[in-house]
Amino acid sequence: DGGITQSPKYLFRKEGQNVTLSCEQNLNHDAMYWYRQDPGQGLRLIYYSQIVNDFQKGDIAEGYSVSREKKESFPLTVTSAQKNPTAFYLCASSAPRAGLDEQFFGPGTRLTVL
Amino acid sequence: KQEVTQIPAALSVPEGENLVLNCSFTDSAIYNLQWFRQDPGKGLTSLLLIQSSQREQTSGRLNASLDKSSGRSTLYIAASQPGDSATYLCAVEAGGSEKLVFGKGTKLTVNP
Repeated sequence: DGGITQSPKYLFRKEGQNVTLSCEQNLNHDAMYWYRQDPGQGLRLIYYSQIVNDFQKGDIAEGYSVSREKKESFPLTVTSAQKNPTAFYLCASSAPRAGLDEQFFGPGTRLTVL
Repeated sequence: KQEVTQIPAALSVPEGENLVLNCSFTDSAIYNLQWFRQDPGKGLTSLLLIQSSQREQTSGRLNASLDKSSGRSTLYIAASQPGDSATYLCAVEAGGSEKLVFGKGTKLTVNP
């Protein structure tokens, strides 16, 4: 089955720790995205990558880092510099270069800082 | 800066009713508009995507319309069912940016 997987589903972190959220897709999509969702809020873009080995900051990149070494994978690291990291994190992918801009989402990771 | 607004924030209807969800955006220079469904604690499921050159898209009981000049889209759900209960999100992509700007969603409850 083609799709996007995110792991873990739930993640707990102590203050001052870095954590990495995994996102993998087997849709052969070039573009991948990370969003953050807070209660009662719309999704906000953290980082996006249009192609392997390239990525751009979104609207709320401070305290986060990403890498795109493989087409299938786009891990997000939440660093200790992120002041309020407790949120629901969603990864998405699309194939804009193929003229297919529809974004498809993974199931999400809920991060809680203790 | 593009802003997307969805009204109402919450809607409760009896089963079988036809309903309309609204989405408005401030900058009409969009590339496409996408409607999503989100169940509690889950990811987003894409429902419909409307390209800027299109006026509407249909999938089953769902029909989405787009009026780019007035900055509005509607999602029409026919013969609503309890399984339609979810939060519906609207998002627009600015021309060629490949980035979506989301509204805060409408939480729909369909009562049996």
